This record gives sequence, C-alpha cells and structure tokens, in this order.
Amino acid sequence: QSVLTQPPSASGTPGQRVTISCSGSSSDIGSNTVNWYQQLPGTAPKLLIYSNNQRPSGVPDRFSGSKSGTSASLAISGLQSEDEADYYCAAWEDSLNAHVFGTGTKVTVL
Amino acid sequence: QVQLQESGPGLVKPSQTLSLTCTVSGGSISSGTYYWSWIRQPAGKGLEWIGRIYTSGSTNYNPSLKSRVTISVDTSKNQFSLKLSSVTAADTAVYYCARATYYYDSSGWVHWFDPWGQGTLVTVSS
Repeated sequence: QSVLTQPPSASGTPGQRVTISCSGSSSDIGSNTVNWYQQLPGTAPKLLIYSNNQRPSGVPDRFSGSKSGTSASLAISGLQSEDEADYYCAAWEDSLNAHVFGTGTKVTVL
Repeated sequence: QVQLQESGPGLVKPSQTLSLTCTVSGGSISSGTYYWSWIRQPAGKGLEWIGRIYTSGSTNYNPSLKSRVTISVDTSKNQFSLKLSSVTAADTAVYYCARATYYYDSSGWVHWFDPWGQGTLVTVSS
C-alpha cells in the first residue's frame, strides 16, 4: 500500500526543469528522511537521492531533492532524454513501523 | 562492490508458498549495520515493501503481509530468503531483494535501499 502521494505524470522538453512532489504525513515524511528512486523501463529501481537531498556517487547534480514539513520534492534540471523513467519517493513510516513508497511519477521527455 | 541476485521458482500455484533466495556477493552479509529487504512490484504498478531482516535475525514486516511472510537469513551462505504463504494471483509480481541502510539521527529515521537485485518475476497461476 502506498501512503505517499505523487502526481502520476510529469513532462518537459530537453533542457527544461521538472519538479515532482511527494506528499506524506507527520508519521512518515514529517518525522523521517526521504529517498528517491529512478526506475528505467525494464530495470530495477536505482537510488537517486537519500537523506532528503544527498546524491550517491555517480548521480548527476541535475538531480536534487528537498523536504519541507510533510512534503518532499525531486527536481530534474536540464532534462535529458535518458531521464525518461518512473520516479518513486520513499520514507520510513513510524505508525506502521514499515517502509513506504510513493505512488510513482512517470516522467516523459517531449 | 556488493551485488544481489534473486533466485527461485518463477511459477507458483495458488494457495502454495512462494520461496525466494537472495545471494549477496562482493561482501559479507554480516558486515556493517545493514538490513536486508524484499520489495515487490506487480506489472505496471508501484513498489511495495515486504519486509527486512538484520543479521541478528530481527525482522520487520509490512503489516498488510505480516501474517503470510517469513524472512530468514543464512550468514554461512551469504543469503537471505523470503517465504510468502497462501499466495493468490494478487501476489504475482517482480520480487526484488535489496540492502537497506538504516540508522537514526537528528533528521529522524534514515532508511534507503542500495543496491538492488535485478528482480525476478513470480507468477501465481494453476
């Protein structure tokens, strides 16, 4: 079950900036850190952002994360064709004592 | 570099038990303070966390699956496993194993999955 809400889709032309929102509650995003995963078609998810705004080694700085209250955002600046993928936010949920994922956002490069 | 690989039957009959194993290579499953997790994804749908295990044997499960899930670890084989009982067609999905980093700091619980296995499709059908 997904308790984090994301828009189902987002799009932009090459070079544009795209932002994806992730809405949660006081017991998940409001209390804990947020991660973002990128899933290219037919592949396993890949960690894109951890601890709200940290990029693992190898992730381009075009990707950035932020968090405010019970919401988080992923921004992709300088959109490229290879960024076309599904993106998921995630966080630990205190009341469920479980890890929860967002509903996912499909990014299309026009 | 740690790598994970899922293995197990690709077809399971309804009401039976789904069993998968994740083999960890490139490092010891006992090293570091990591949890080892299972996540699944039905075709065309989102990700669902199934549960996790620490090498001490301590587990946490998704409340929606808790009554049917067992995750275990075999440190001698550098493997951890998933058993899901009484499966139905709704359990058809790609199943991923992943390493979870998990700790608490001033920002709250910090918990992320990296790396992931490539995933294995399990179909529940008679």
